[in-house]
Amino acid sequence: RKEVEQDPGPFNVPEGATVAFNCTYSNSASQSFFWYRQDCRKEPKLLMSVYSSGNEDGRFTAQLNRASQYISLLIRDSKLSDSATYLCVVSGAGSYQLTFGKGTKLSVIP
Amino acid sequence: ETGVTQTPRHLVMGMTNKKSLKCEQHLGHNAMYWYKQSAKKPLELMFVYNFKEQTENNSVPSRFSPECPNSSHLFLHLHTLQPEDSALYLCASSHSRGEQYFGPGTRLTVT
Repeated sequence: RKEVEQDPGPFNVPEGATVAFNCTYSNSASQSFFWYRQDCRKEPKLLMSVYSSGNEDGRFTAQLNRASQYISLLIRDSKLSDSATYLCVVSGAGSYQLTFGKGTKLSVIP
Repeated sequence: ETGVTQTPRHLVMGMTNKKSLKCEQHLGHNAMYWYKQSAKKPLELMFVYNFKEQTENNSVPSRFSPECPNSSHLFLHLHTLQPEDSALYLCASSHSRGEQYFGPGTRLTVT
């Protein structure tokens, strides 16, 4: 099983749609979880951290299920500017190392 | 954004050249990282420094040599690289084991 696994997509959705990304991780001792977005030929940028209780930031909602080792990201009312690759990121216990998934590519279409 | 800067942004070098990549962070973080991103592969962690001390080296070939003179500066010295080393090299910084913030990267081409 890959350390961090994501559906590579691409997800092509119309403006205004709701889209959900899923991610699974293999290390049950993982402590911290993040979603990053990466635009084409740019660096990854932190979108949001993911907390056990779930958290929301505007149109974005992240959920964590430790028992199933599963993380999700929900984007509501998609905008053209949401088009990017979304990276699921997991850190190990007591480690500086972040493990990145390959990313899921999202294209929001007018 | 100027939190983490990297120079040069683009670099073309021959296999016998020696070059260095530079990273500087202005965020007051204590940890700095080098990552490699190749096409169609996830980011690969290369090195981690915490308060100038190397804490992780992920089996990186010796042709890549990191240097961290202080918590704000990180270098990656390159020598006798191979064409397969062509990639985007990203620097990041964080406060302890928190969220990491990335620089814009150096796009390296080895000819």
